[in-house]
Amino acid sequence: GAGVSQSPSNKVTEKGKDVELRCDPISGHTALYWYRQRLGQGLEFLIYFQGNSAPDKSGLPSDRFSAERTGESVSTLTIQRTQQEDSAVYLCASSFQGVGTDTQYFGPGTRLTVL
Amino acid sequence: KNEVEQSPQNLTAQEGEFITINCSYSVGISALHWLQQHPGGGIVSLFMLSSGKKKHGRLIATINIQEKHSSLHITASHPRDSAVYICAGGYNTDKLIFGTGTRLQVFP
Repeated sequence: GAGVSQSPSNKVTEKGKDVELRCDPISGHTALYWYRQRLGQGLEFLIYFQGNSAPDKSGLPSDRFSAERTGESVSTLTIQRTQQEDSAVYLCASSFQGVGTDTQYFGPGTRLTVL
Repeated sequence: KNEVEQSPQNLTAQEGEFITINCSYSVGISALHWLQQHPGGGIVSLFMLSSGKKKHGRLIATINIQEKHSSLHITASHPRDSAVYICAGGYNTDKLIFGTGTRLQVFP
C-alpha cells in the first residue's frame, strides 16, 4: 500500500504564527514518530505515539510544540507562535510495533520556513 | 556527547571504490539501524541488525555487539550511492538515537 505521507510538503510562515503539520502513517502501523532536522544537522526525536498509550513527549523542545494522533491513524504536529529557530524539515515515521527493533518508514517531510 | 557516533563525517570516492562507514554507540541497544537520506531529503531504511551481518545488493552491514560498533560497506560504489548515511541505535523503549550522518559523494 501507500507509504507515509505528509502535508504540506513546504510551509512558509511568519514569525509568531501557528502552523499545523500533518502525517498519514502506513495503515496498520501502531507506532508514529515525529522528528526534526535542522539545516546541516542530524535528526532529532520530537514525540512518539504507540497505540493507546500516553505519548512520549520527551523530545519536544518547548511548550509551543504539541502533537495529537487520532487512534492509530493521522497525526498533527502543531507549533504555536513560531520562531525562526523552528525552521527545519519535520519528518514523520511509522512502524508496525514501535520497538527499537522495528523498521521505521519515513515520510517525505515538511519543510518549514519561518520568516 | 552523542550516544551514537559516526565516522567519517564526509567521504568522497571514485566510482568503483569500496566504501566503509563506521558507527559506534556508547550504551547497549536492541538493534542498530542504517538509513539513507538522498539530496531530496527522503529517508529510506537500509538495514536493521542486532547481530552478525546483513547484505542487500552491494550494501553490507555488520555489527559487533561486544565492541559496540557497526560498519556499512558499499562495494563497487556508483554515483547514485551519493547520499547521507545515518546510523541510529534502537532501544527497548521507543525512540531511535541518531548519529550525525556521513555525507558520501561518489564521482564518476
